[in-house]
Amino acid sequence: NAGVTQTPKFQVLKTGQSMTLQCAQDMNHNSMYWYRQDPGMGLRLIYYSASEGTTDKGEVPNGYNVSRLNKREFSLRLESAAPSQTSVYFCASSVSGNTIYFGEGSWLTVV
Amino acid sequence: DQQVKQNSPSLSVQEGRISILNCDYTNSMFDYFLWYKKYPAEGPTFLISISSIKDKNEDGRFTVFLNKSAKHLSLHIVPSQPGDSAVYFCAASVGLQGAQKLVFGQGTRLTINP
Repeated sequence: NAGVTQTPKFQVLKTGQSMTLQCAQDMNHNSMYWYRQDPGMGLRLIYYSASEGTTDKGEVPNGYNVSRLNKREFSLRLESAAPSQTSVYFCASSVSGNTIYFGEGSWLTVV
Repeated sequence: DQQVKQNSPSLSVQEGRISILNCDYTNSMFDYFLWYKKYPAEGPTFLISISSIKDKNEDGRFTVFLNKSAKHLSLHIVPSQPGDSAVYFCAASVGLQGAQKLVFGQGTRLTINP
């Protein structure tokens, strides 16, 4: 029962470095999402992909890029990491009109 | 501009009693509301939802109430159990078709005391 799998689980970056968070789901879901969670802020949507081949900005897209590689995979890239991007990142997926399922999270620290 | 607000960062309840978690929203376009539960070092998991055409939805020990005129929803857990200790997020979206762009509240940490 893998569900939504995201890697890496923990990462420390220096300011200005780049990295990609990987996400894959095995539930044949159409839609995929990237959220970030910060203390006192709840979860905020960064980018989403309603279906394979499409991506759209969410609430806080600045500093990020995404790629919907295929139906299973949706990656999040930080081109030049900043301390403000220190957060917990959650990938999620859903079928249209149904529950969103979340991965276990990726803890990113930018120093 | 916080469209979904949970004004209580934490709540402590005795085991066996009722836990009531509250959530307010400002966007009248929201028509679907959800509660997620989150344990430390895990992703949020779906708990219960309600459509704006209803004012109550019940699932076992969990009941969600929606007051559209007040733009307020609440989650009732009865009886509360130690395993219910977690952070609870309410979330809202517009419509059900396509991608669900959920807007989350800040979360309420519920602690159930034995």
